Amino acid sequence: EAGVTQFPSHSVIEKGQTVTLRCDPISGHDNLYWYRRVMGKEIKFLLHFVKESKQDESGMPNNRFLAERTGGTYSTLKVQPAELEDSGVYFCASRLAGTDTQYFGPGTRLTVL
Amino acid sequence: KNEVEQSPQNLTAQEGEFITINCSYSVGISALHWLQQHPGGGIVSLFMLSSGKKKHGRLIATINIQEKHSSLHITASHPRDSAVYICAVRSIGFQGAQKLVFGQGTRLTINP
Repeated sequence: EAGVTQFPSHSVIEKGQTVTLRCDPISGHDNLYWYRRVMGKEIKFLLHFVKESKQDESGMPNNRFLAERTGGTYSTLKVQPAELEDSGVYFCASRLAGTDTQYFGPGTRLTVL
Repeated sequence: KNEVEQSPQNLTAQEGEFITINCSYSVGISALHWLQQHPGGGIVSLFMLSSGKKKHGRLIATINIQEKHSSLHITASHPRDSAVYICAVRSIGFQGAQKLVFGQGTRLTINP
């Protein structure tokens, strides 16, 4: 069974540009989470989808971040326009309903210059 | 001050040593997770605890709910145990959402 996959693995963009990160959860996992670790800090929650609905988006830093999960399968996280402080590693995780374990993707390392 | 604090932040030891990593938290929780991230690798869930102790191979995790403290122990440590170990708690207020709050991680290096 394939795990959680994320694309791209690395992205280097200039300030002001737009970047879209993608997460493909484990098939059948209704719950999908986005997290972020910025340099030297702990991983922080961004938001949680249940199927295509946003269950909790309290961790989204500002309105430059837009997450979608159309169809309840893969999810995208768009940053527009990107700022220097958006640099970090963005993790996605998925969880099967009724269970406790979140399965993490390998992360996307975003560098904003 | 973070809601989840880990210590030490960095730990270097010799192969075979007994390792302890500590995690203290200040919020009410429904569960605590220990996660592992190898260099260049993804994050893997090691344990989920809500009480007592769990053991898997050379890894042992304990939690004391009253003291809001958990420890991760590694017996007979090996260089392949070198990784970042992360403590994460599931807040009580977010039962349905299972939102995790993370510690900063402990970077463990085991030298041969």
